[in-house]
Amino acid sequence: EVQLVESGGGLVQPGRSLRLSCAASGFTFDDYAMHWVRQAPGKGLEWVSGISWNSGSIGYADSVKGRFTISRDNAKNSLYLQMNSLRAEDTALYYCAKGHTPLYDSSGEYFDYWGQGTLVTVSS
Amino acid sequence: QSVLTQPPSASGTPGQRVTISCSGSSSNIGSNTVNWYQQLPGTAPKLLIYSNNQRPSGVPDRFSGSKSGTSASLAISGLQSEDEADYYCAAWDDSLNGHWVFGGGTKLTVL
Repeated sequence: EVQLVESGGGLVQPGRSLRLSCAASGFTFDDYAMHWVRQAPGKGLEWVSGISWNSGSIGYADSVKGRFTISRDNAKNSLYLQMNSLRAEDTALYYCAKGHTPLYDSSGEYFDYWGQGTLVTVSS
Repeated sequence: QSVLTQPPSASGTPGQRVTISCSGSSSNIGSNTVNWYQQLPGTAPKLLIYSNNQRPSGVPDRFSGSKSGTSASLAISGLQSEDEADYYCAAWDDSLNGHWVFGGGTKLTVL
């Protein structure tokens, strides 16, 4: 059974940093791309970042480019999101999602499993 | 404002057929496949349709997807109360450096 468990969320002041983690199990982690998708309170889904199976290809939404860094440790079956210079508009539930292909940016890619999310609140 | 356009709401009575549209452009739906996600109240999204019209195992055949040009649709036949949820379309967008885009979501109410 595929399981994705996010952690690391919390309340943080604007301008500070936070690191999210996603522990994966139930599948061969290094065969697949991984993604972060967020959902602001009462709003829709927004793709944040994706990373290919071997970290060779990475992408970000314009809204977080230059502030967030995605990474993965295949030996630990874990995905990370380092979030710097946080803003109020980054407040959201952050989901870790498994890709269906090795490449995050292939047209045949889709998000076939999702974690339950970790809440990030940016406020003074 | 979302790159993919969905109606904010839709409704139907049990047993009815409802459709939800998703409109995009040549850089996303026009050149890439469309996926649909279902988000039941208080839960994480779940993959409903992939590659325009494919159902993952476990998804009832009451759910179907289609794509034509720069638009896509999700159809739900034999509507059931448990179908009440938010539905999102998504596609890869080739513009600029490339990125994934979602529709704004459609809240389906079963009357």
